[in-house]
Order: sequence, then C-alpha cells, then structure tokens
Amino acid sequence: EAEVAQSPRYKITEKSQAVAFWCDPISGHATLYWYRQILGQGPELLVQFQDESVVDDSQLPKDRFSAERLKGVDSTLKIQPAELGDSAMYLCASSLVAGSQYFGPGTRLTVL
Amino acid sequence: GIQVEQSPPDLILQEGANSTLRCNFSDSVNNLQWFHQNPWGQLINLFYIPSGTKQNGRLSATTVATERYSLLYISSSQTTDSGVYFCAVDSGGGADGLTFGKGTHLIIQP
Repeated sequence: EAEVAQSPRYKITEKSQAVAFWCDPISGHATLYWYRQILGQGPELLVQFQDESVVDDSQLPKDRFSAERLKGVDSTLKIQPAELGDSAMYLCASSLVAGSQYFGPGTRLTVL
Repeated sequence: GIQVEQSPPDLILQEGANSTLRCNFSDSVNNLQWFHQNPWGQLINLFYIPSGTKQNGRLSATTVATERYSLLYISSSQTTDSGVYFCAVDSGGGADGLTFGKGTHLIIQP
C-alpha cells in the first residue's frame, strides 16, 4: 500500500540552528500539506501545495519558516532559526485533487 | 474559520465495551475525516465521511451534514483501540487544509 514518507523521524537541535524536514507524497497525489502538532493538541495546517504552487500559507510563520515543492513531487520544510516553541511533531499529508488526506509518520522536533 | 468540537475529551472503558465519540462543526463541510493517532504519533485514516454512514469491521461512522455533527462508534473495544481519535473537516474551496478538533483520548483497560 502506498504511503507518505517523511524524514528524519526524530530531530534534536539547539535554538538558533537551522532544521529541514523532507516529505515524499503518495505517487500521483497533486496536493501536499504540512501540519504542525503541539503536544496535547490537534494538528494545525502550515502550508498547502497544489503541484508546485502554494495554495495556502496563511498560517506559516514566514519570518523563520519556508517550504518548497520545486518539481511538484517531494517537499522540504525549513526552519531558520529554530526557537524553543518550535518543538512539535511536523506532519506531511497528501491527497488527490479532492478527497481523503493521508498522513506520513511525522518528524518529532525537539529544540533545546 | 470553521470550529470543530469533540466530546468527550477523555474516555476510559473496559475491554469489550462499546463507545460513541462525537464531533460537532460550525459550518457546512466539503470533507470530514476521522483519524486514530497511535502512540508513535502516526495518524491512521479511519473514515472519509462528509455525509452518510460507513462501516469497517468494529468501527462505524455517521455524519449528519444538515445538523453539523458526526459520530464514531467503536464496538467490542480492544486494548489496541487505545489512543487519540481526531475529527477533522474542511469547508471547501481551493484551500482545503483540514481543521482538527482537540481529540478524544480513549483508554481501553484489559
């Protein structure tokens, strides 16, 4: 069964350092999402791509976060510089143009 | 934006019991999904159910879109059903990121 792949699974970094997360969606899925989940809460959308174009990045803290999906397939989410409050699970999801979203295993980030 | 409320926030049951989890939403939706988040953080798709009723084994779900709620039923609970159950919706349009509720934390005791 096709799955969304993410790496790394765990990342520990010090504040002010740069971190990057990678996501490979299910083959053929045009829409890709990045969510952030703080412990004890539900995931919140950071950015949505349709192919290589950003559809919604209204909740992305653009002073330190950036996301790209250059060829419309895999995607990278970057944080520079990381802050203590960025400690969270970062989840990637993909879907066909419409319909069910499928989530990857996530990257658990700890900022020290 | 759309609001999603889940109840109860916590539920502790004995193995073999049945349970009903509720999700209320504040506006019409284009998509509604139920997820189970396992202890490792993986979100497992349970149902894609913007309206109607679906069943999958011991789990079933019903969404009454006109009354803006959805129910998830778990029958004959097993310890492996433990975890957090999330309801998530999107209200349609070009930007269709999901808005999640705060979840129901379910503990099934042996």
